[in-house]
Amino acid sequence: KAGVTQTPRYLIKTRGQQVTLSCSPISGHRSVSWYQQTPGQGLQFLFEYFSETQRNKGNFPGRFSGRQFSNSRSEMNVSTLELGDSALYLCASSLSGRAGGELFFGEGSRLTVL
Amino acid sequence: EDQVTQSPEALRLQEGESSSLNCSYTVSGLRGLFWYRQDPGKGPEFLFTLYSAGEEKEKERLKATLTKKESFLHITAPKPEDSATYLCAVQAEGNFNKFYFGSGTKLNVKP
Repeated sequence: KAGVTQTPRYLIKTRGQQVTLSCSPISGHRSVSWYQQTPGQGLQFLFEYFSETQRNKGNFPGRFSGRQFSNSRSEMNVSTLELGDSALYLCASSLSGRAGGELFFGEGSRLTVL
Repeated sequence: EDQVTQSPEALRLQEGESSSLNCSYTVSGLRGLFWYRQDPGKGPEFLFTLYSAGEEKEKERLKATLTKKESFLHITAPKPEDSATYLCAVQAEGNFNKFYFGSGTKLNVKP
């Protein structure tokens, strides 16, 4: 069974640009979450989607947005990039539609903003 | 505010030297406490879920326990391949798949 797939794995952008990251969840998983991981802040919750609806959102500015498609694949977008957006962006999928249940993470997209 | 604190930040052990990692939490209604392992350059890998105080889970050399305020991850006779960062996360009641993660404990087991 294929795991969570994230693309691209690595990318370099400059300040002011925008970026789109993609995530394909495990087959059958309808919940997709996004996390930002940095050395200083650890893993921080960005948002979670279930059946194309955003159910929960973390404390990030509006420059961070996401969406989920009918096949459960998800994308997140960061506009007007800042140096502080450099991080590992992790996508996780979950089987359960209810609250609870473990997350299955992809290997992440490492974003560097110059 | 929901919060997770892990200690120590880093731990160096000799192979075979048992120890424990701590995860203390404050959450308004605990739905579940989760332990993950993360290797460099990889995403976190699920280890255990604990739902209520007194619960214990075991997997090979790892054993996770839960009280009302903290969780411990006990590592018995660790091997070098156990070297990784161990993350603790909590989920509050009613929060759809929103997890609060601790900053992790980086474990280094020397042969």
